[in-house]
Amino acid sequence: DADVTQTPRNRITKTGKRIMLECSQTKGHDRMYWYRQDPGLGLRLIYYSFDVKDINKGEISDGYSVSRQAQAKFSLSLESAIPNQTALYFCATSDNRGQGAGELFFGEGSRLTVL
Amino acid sequence: DAKTTQPPSMDCAEGRAANLPCNHSTISGNEYVYWYRQIHSQGPQYIIHGLKNNETNEMASLIITEDRKSSTLILPHATLRDTAVYYCIVRVRNQGGKLIFGQGTELSVKP
Repeated sequence: DADVTQTPRNRITKTGKRIMLECSQTKGHDRMYWYRQDPGLGLRLIYYSFDVKDINKGEISDGYSVSRQAQAKFSLSLESAIPNQTALYFCATSDNRGQGAGELFFGEGSRLTVL
Repeated sequence: DAKTTQPPSMDCAEGRAANLPCNHSTISGNEYVYWYRQIHSQGPQYIIHGLKNNETNEMASLIITEDRKSSTLILPHATLRDTAVYYCIVRVRNQGGKLIFGQGTELSVKP
């Protein structure tokens, strides 16, 4: 099983619908992140969390919200989806301790299409 | 975080060394150089990181110039499975999530 699991892997929805993407991890890391990737572009940071109840905005947080109610889970919500939120979304985790500090571990991605 | 500059694409023959350059002329003293790669829409994969000394692991070597303004990722014997987009990132090691990805270098390994 993957260490960082994202659900759903693929989702098609309509404009105005509320969508939640979920991320769970078994690595025991305290830090979790949500990125989006658009075709031909690198990854852009949406939100990140250092610990339960800790939430920080990234580069492009408008139109998104997140929830970190457990160390292992970090969910991303689109309250009212719009077509330009069509993208590939990645969850990632990291550990702030030890030699691997700063190394990110990514999930397999969630492809979201908003019609 | 310091900005990085990478060539948009490179080719490499299978079995040869792939040398991927990265410029980070505004890097500050406490910023590390990290390399990740992304194989066709999969989640990015960590490769290696370093501060000022050259580093080597089972995947690659990282050569950082003495002034730290540029670095080179070396894949010693590239295979077709190394075809991917390679991202060079500089950041403070234990900083929060502001790991900013640029557009990377698309490496094509050809038979």
